[in-house]
Amino acid sequence: DIQMTQSPSSLSASVGDRVTITCRASQSISSYLNWYQQKPGKAPKLLIYAASSLQSGVPSRFSGSGSGTDFTLTISSLQPEDFATYYCQQSYSTPRSFGQGTKLEIK
Amino acid sequence: QVQLVQSGAEVKKPGASVKVSCKASGYTFTGYYMHWVRQAPGQGLEWMGWINPNSGGTNYAQKFQGWVTMTRDTSISTAYMELSRLRSDDTAVYYCAREGCSSTSCYLDYWGQGTLVTVSS
Repeated sequence: DIQMTQSPSSLSASVGDRVTITCRASQSISSYLNWYQQKPGKAPKLLIYAASSLQSGVPSRFSGSGSGTDFTLTISSLQPEDFATYYCQQSYSTPRSFGQGTKLEIK
Repeated sequence: QVQLVQSGAEVKKPGASVKVSCKASGYTFTGYYMHWVRQAPGQGLEWMGWINPNSGGTNYAQKFQGWVTMTRDTSISTAYMELSRLRSDDTAVYYCAREGCSSTSCYLDYWGQGTLVTVSS
């Protein structure tokens, strides 16, 4: 099974900050990497698929990069609505494992 | 528009079974795999498995093999997830999610609202 490890587990930042979250796979997954945002009490929402493709309707301040085993999600200028938990997920093979999540909090 | 509407919250006793439904609309139900993901209180997302609504074929995470069953009824565009022999640590929100695919990846692009299953004596 492929293990996904995110860092950091939590992060405090301010509105307007640039933020980067990292996800590492235990083996190469090419570009089969997706990012989701989850707010309390809500279902996850797809942000980025195929490592760097922006899902329709997602603001352009979100971007993704990487391939192989190392990936990043970047938010270029944090907005108040971006404070949430972020998960990476690999779709290279089953089981479709998720990272443990990164909670982004207001500083 | 694509919608996945799940059944309501359930309270079950340990050892019982629960069956959660996920009704799809706004797209061709048989054209997309349906995944199930659960989230225990305060915890992360845990992938459970998928069903191919066209063939009925399934793929379960090893952890759930033998005690989860995913089925579908194509006549009403509904997927089901049944978990048996419930324990207290099965208390979680259960989500269904449609899998879309591009030429370079597959991803969970639409999610149900979640169904809270509480297991308590």
